[in-house]
Amino acid sequence: SQQGEEDPQALSIQEGENATMNCSYKTSINNLQWYRQNSGRGLVHLILIRSNEREKHSGRLRVTLDTSKKSSSLLITASRAADTASYFCATVPISSGSARQLTFGSGTQLTVLP
Amino acid sequence: DAMVIQNPRYQVTQFGKPVTLSCSQTLNHNVMYWYQQKSSQAPKLLFHYYDKDFNNEADTPDNFQSRRPNTSFCFLDIRSPGLGDAAMYLCATSRDGTGDSYEQYFGPGTRLTVT
Repeated sequence: SQQGEEDPQALSIQEGENATMNCSYKTSINNLQWYRQNSGRGLVHLILIRSNEREKHSGRLRVTLDTSKKSSSLLITASRAADTASYFCATVPISSGSARQLTFGSGTQLTVLP
Repeated sequence: DAMVIQNPRYQVTQFGKPVTLSCSQTLNHNVMYWYQQKSSQAPKLLFHYYDKDFNNEADTPDNFQSRRPNTSFCFLDIRSPGLGDAAMYLCATSRDGTGDSYEQYFGPGTRLTVT
């Protein structure tokens, strides 16, 4: 079932600008992940942040996690047209078994205009 | 390259005609998942296999079944597709969760159309 909400639902920016997407979730988590999905394609894992971490970087990506507010944000710096995609946060609850099922948020559609 | 492969990429079936979607992986992962994703929505987990153990989500309709004959292959069977079953079906894999790797690796998906 869908655990989280993301905002905004859609975001349109110019190339070179930064894009920020937010995710909220409901239950205690083991970790939170961000995935990207190009139109009509599968999802690609971007970054994982554990519940005891507050911030993580990977290239042009910066993820923050606030477990007290049950929220996370994804920042993409210096955006490029190729970053145009849907972005989903996904949580692994503390109660999950060894299979580590993901529960996805509703997604943000990012459009980067050249 | 190690990967998750789904066949076919596009499938058209008739209302009520059984259809099978295929997923294979070269990652040797223990866990395989099937998701349904409708237009502009988040992926919704249908079920997963942990090795040979099948785990069904509580709200997955009985119309959907799955088989995993070996580590590499997993099939999604839709016994009597309805118009509401038209969607993208995504297969994913992950390593045994007792390790430190929790990310899932997705295939490109199969777009199912029901006429």
